[in-house]
Amino acid sequence: DSGVTQTPKHLITATGQRVTLRCSPRSGDLSVYWYQQSLDQGLQFLIQYYNGEERAKGNILERFSAQQFPDLHSELNLSSLELGDSALYFCASSVGGSGRESETQYFGPGTRLLVL
Amino acid sequence: AQTVTQSQPEMSVQEAETVTLSCTYDTSESNYYLFWYKQPPSRQMILVIRQEAYKQQNATENRFSVNFQKAAKSFSLKISDSQLGDTAMYFCAQAGGGADGLTFGKGTHLIIQP
Repeated sequence: DSGVTQTPKHLITATGQRVTLRCSPRSGDLSVYWYQQSLDQGLQFLIQYYNGEERAKGNILERFSAQQFPDLHSELNLSSLELGDSALYFCASSVGGSGRESETQYFGPGTRLLVL
Repeated sequence: AQTVTQSQPEMSVQEAETVTLSCTYDTSESNYYLFWYKQPPSRQMILVIRQEAYKQQNATENRFSVNFQKAAKSFSLKISDSQLGDTAMYFCAQAGGGADGLTFGKGTHLIIQP
């Protein structure tokens, strides 16, 4: 158990819909990262938040957005869903995010999204 | 842009054997970090080992060790005395200086046969 929690574990929805994935980082971690794992794209970094502020962006679609709240939990919002958005979405956390050291990221169990 | 390449889609070895998984990377960063993550059938991502590029000494964690060749941009993982529980997807990943997103390779599916 990494200490990172994600809800829900599974999500089934229809095309065009909007969903919200939730992540709670390990106790004491300030950084949260979101990743997408799909068969065709592999594991891709989407976005990082550090202490409530967006810090880095990866291959995140404009239909997707995220935020980190004062209690440090984070939500990933996926809208206008398409079949190709079906994937496993991981959240990871690390201690900091503003220093020179690249800290180890600890992954949550993931949310499996199926768009029908 | 950073790239990570794992050239072995699948490998299979007998229990107790030693196996080496290959990884090459490309980066323009001078300060970077390399990782191996394991993803068993449960799909959980588990950190196996980490290497700082500025350290010459190869990292080791029990049965797991790396062969880090900085000039060749190579970062292979050696698993000694392999066990059935080592069966999993193994991903090589890289991060630049400062905390940022990981760039992953496509993974190697390792099967440990009894």
